Amino acid sequence: AQKVTQAQTEISVVEKEDVTLDCVYETRDTTYYLFWYKQPPSGELVFLIRRNSFDEQNEISGRYSWNFQKSTSSFNFTITASQVVDSAVYFCALSDSGGGADGLTFGKGTHLIIQP
Amino acid sequence: DAGVIQSPRHEVTEMGQEVTLRCKPISGHDYLFWYRQTMMRGLELLIYFNNNVPIDDSGMPEDRFSAKMPNASFSTLKIQPSEPRDSAVYFCASSPGGTRHHPSSYNEQFFGPGTRLTVL
Repeated sequence: AQKVTQAQTEISVVEKEDVTLDCVYETRDTTYYLFWYKQPPSGELVFLIRRNSFDEQNEISGRYSWNFQKSTSSFNFTITASQVVDSAVYFCALSDSGGGADGLTFGKGTHLIIQP
Repeated sequence: DAGVIQSPRHEVTEMGQEVTLRCKPISGHDYLFWYRQTMMRGLELLIYFNNNVPIDDSGMPEDRFSAKMPNASFSTLKIQPSEPRDSAVYFCASSPGGTRHHPSSYNEQFFGPGTRLTVL
């Protein structure tokens, strides 16, 4: 069975600080995909990134970066120079397909609070 | 494209009543997913369809829940009778499925805005 653990229930930092959100996953599949979604206070789910199990390269997109390490089954998300607009609940998710042909298994989410 | 459309956005009903949630996926998408979000259980997959056919309904909590997809542009999730513990946000998502250049394994799910259901 697949499982995603986000041990940090809530994180609060002051604006401009860097913050890392942890994600640990479990799966028996050799091919799988990992995702991060953002849920702002308005409630919608916003797709941030997808990585497949064969690509362990770290990825950077603006102030966002992701560190995928198969050896520790982790897919951590770092926000550099955080801003108040980054305040949201962030979900890590896992799928044994690209997410398009199978359901996603979500972690419980990390509530990130960026204080001005 | 308008994105995934869900209606109603908010629903308040009394225990025992029938509730029907509706979803219109993005045109051309072959996959449709229903998820439920609660504080206790987080985001859970309830059921998903491929080309209007239910593929996996193992997440449907009990017989009170049923989902249909009569055509490619419409799906319903029905709860009958509703109970207070069904109170949650219900999300619908759709996915393009595969193409020659982008097989289904590479496509993301696009989520609707959700329906917030409150059962009193």
